Amino acid sequence: GQQVMQIPQYQHVQEGEDFTTYCNSSTTLSNIQWYKQRPGGHPVFLIQLVKSGEVKKQKRLTFQFGEAKKNSSLHITATQTTDVGTYFCAGMDTGNQFYFGTGTSLTVIP
Amino acid sequence: GAGVSQSPRYKVAKRGQDVALRCDPISGHVSLFWYQQALGQGPEFLTYFQNEAQLDKSGLPSDRFFAERPEGSVSTLKIQRTQQEDSAVYLCASSLVGPNTEAFFGQGTRLTVV
Repeated sequence: GQQVMQIPQYQHVQEGEDFTTYCNSSTTLSNIQWYKQRPGGHPVFLIQLVKSGEVKKQKRLTFQFGEAKKNSSLHITATQTTDVGTYFCAGMDTGNQFYFGTGTSLTVIP
Repeated sequence: GAGVSQSPRYKVAKRGQDVALRCDPISGHVSLFWYQQALGQGPEFLTYFQNEAQLDKSGLPSDRFFAERPEGSVSTLKIQRTQQEDSAVYLCASSLVGPNTEAFFGQGTRLTVV
């Protein structure tokens, strides 16, 4: 079945360092969404990528969708303590289901 | 409403008890999703509604789980004869049109089965 894996599972960075999480699917995705979940909170939508090779930026965050539409990445430049949380990718296959990745938990050390 | 509202926020059930979890989506949102999130895991899809039609229920783990959205707005997730492995946070999300649009999540209901 559909599997969406994320690496790393955990990441600790010093404030100001960069951070990247990678999302890999076992099958081709029609699109991919990224969410952020703060501890004790609920997932909050960040962005959706649809096109092969698409790159989108939101301030310090850069999102990329792979050429084969089977992988994606989220890169944060110069992390801040407000970036703390778990980042999930969610990929949609040809059906109506979004398969959430395993998540990457980011800790930022001030 | 301003956002997706779920109730109760917390529910403790004795094993074997039935529970009902409520989701009030954002007004006018066509799509509604239920997810189950275990501690330290990503949300796992349970079921999807488009208006009142349940288009996909392939993620429901057993026939003890039942969801409905009779008028295309409020939805209820019912779990019969709860078991300890049902303990999780149940998240509801809604989106304006179909699954390809931004989903807004509620705060979730944390279910603990003792």
